[in-house]
Amino acid sequence: EVHLVQSGAEVKKPGTTVKISCRVSGYTFTDNDVHWVQQAPGKGLEWVGLVDPADGETIYTEKFQGRVTITADTSTDTAYMELSNLRSEDTAVYFCATEDSDKNDFDYWGQGTLITVSS
Amino acid sequence: SYVLTQPPSVSVAPGKTARITCGGNNIGRLGVHWYQQKPGQAPVVVINHDNNRPSGIPERFSGSNSGNTATLTISRVEAGDEADYYCQVWDSTSDHRVFGGGTKVTVL
Repeated sequence: EVHLVQSGAEVKKPGTTVKISCRVSGYTFTDNDVHWVQQAPGKGLEWVGLVDPADGETIYTEKFQGRVTITADTSTDTAYMELSNLRSEDTAVYFCATEDSDKNDFDYWGQGTLITVSS
Repeated sequence: SYVLTQPPSVSVAPGKTARITCGGNNIGRLGVHWYQQKPGQAPVVVINHDNNRPSGIPERFSGSNSGNTATLTISRVEAGDEADYYCQVWDSTSDHRVFGGGTKVTVL
């Protein structure tokens, strides 16, 4: 059975950096891309970017380009999302999700990690 | 960048049919996925590739996609279907994934 387990909630000050994790199990980590999705309070889902654990290739949406870094550690089957120069509008729940290689849908999701940015 | 447009809300009586639209330029040429999200939970895919139901999803959920509009249809709506629903596509031009703004389904 596939599981994605994310790290716990974070409270950060503006201008600082946060790094959250997503540990996967139940499938071969390098077989599927891992994506990150933002959901601000009371708002919809917004795609942040992805990492291909097989080769480390990443793609980011323009909104987060330059401030986000997504990585994958194949020794621990864990994906990471680092967000720098935090702003109050980064306050949100961040989900990791795997993308099915055939259907290209997000078939498994983590439980979400709340990042709160506040002075 | 590619934009998907959904109505903010849809209300439906129990036992009736709910239809949620997702508009996008030539969306009929793309594979559309639909997710259900209940408060405090992660999204769950209910339809992938326009009209395919993953294992465990009731037959009451169906999808269609043509032209500039994709549609999620929920037949014989139940109270437990009350949730936010999001459409999503892969924009091959940019290699980005795109979500619609979401539709809140209220069961009257």
